[in-house]
Amino acid sequence: EIVLTQSPGTLSLSPGEGATLSCRASQSVTNNNLAWYQQKPGQAPRLLIYATSSRAADIPDRFSGSGSGTDFALTITRLEPDDFAVYYCQQYGTSRTFGQGTKVEIK
Amino acid sequence: EVQLVESGGGLVQPGGSLRLSCAASGFTFDNYVMAWVRQAPGKGLEWVSAISGSGYSTYYTDYAKGRFTISRDKSKDTVYLQMSSLSVDDTAAYFCAKGSGSTWPYFFDSWGQGTLVTVSS
Repeated sequence: EIVLTQSPGTLSLSPGEGATLSCRASQSVTNNNLAWYQQKPGQAPRLLIYATSSRAADIPDRFSGSGSGTDFALTITRLEPDDFAVYYCQQYGTSRTFGQGTKVEIK
Repeated sequence: EVQLVESGGGLVQPGGSLRLSCAASGFTFDNYVMAWVRQAPGKGLEWVSAISGSGYSTYYTDYAKGRFTISRDKSKDTVYLQMSSLSVDDTAAYFCAKGSGSTWPYFFDSWGQGTLVTVSS
């Protein structure tokens, strides 16, 4: 099973700042089939990014994904109040596994 | 608009059974993988099971094999998760998720709001 390790566990930032979230896989992710989801308290996850860098429908361009192989990142430029949430990466190249999440909180 | 509405959660004793349902609308049901993902209180997301668009192929994570059964009814646009031999470790919110395609590889492009399963004596 591919293990995904996200870092940091928590990111404390102010609105307007940028954020870079890391997702490292224990082995290469097939075809870079990696997605990112956002989850707010009491809500379902929402797809942000798929295939490493493709934005899902209606996702603003301040969200971007990058990486390949075992190292991936989600970058959020100019954090808005609505962006403070937990973010999960997920690989879907070999079965499906999620990272443990990164919480982006207001500083 | 895609809608996924889960039901069937509740309180069940250890060793008991429960069947979750997910009613889908807003897309051609037969064309997409459907899956269940769970989240224990205060924890992260954990994939449980999936079923191909045709219904012929099913997939389970290790802890679900032999205890959980996923199925789909195309006449009702509904996917089910039959759970048995439940333990306290199965306590979680169970989300229904729509896959991005009819078979592997797929990510989850739409999610239901979840149904809570509590296993306790």
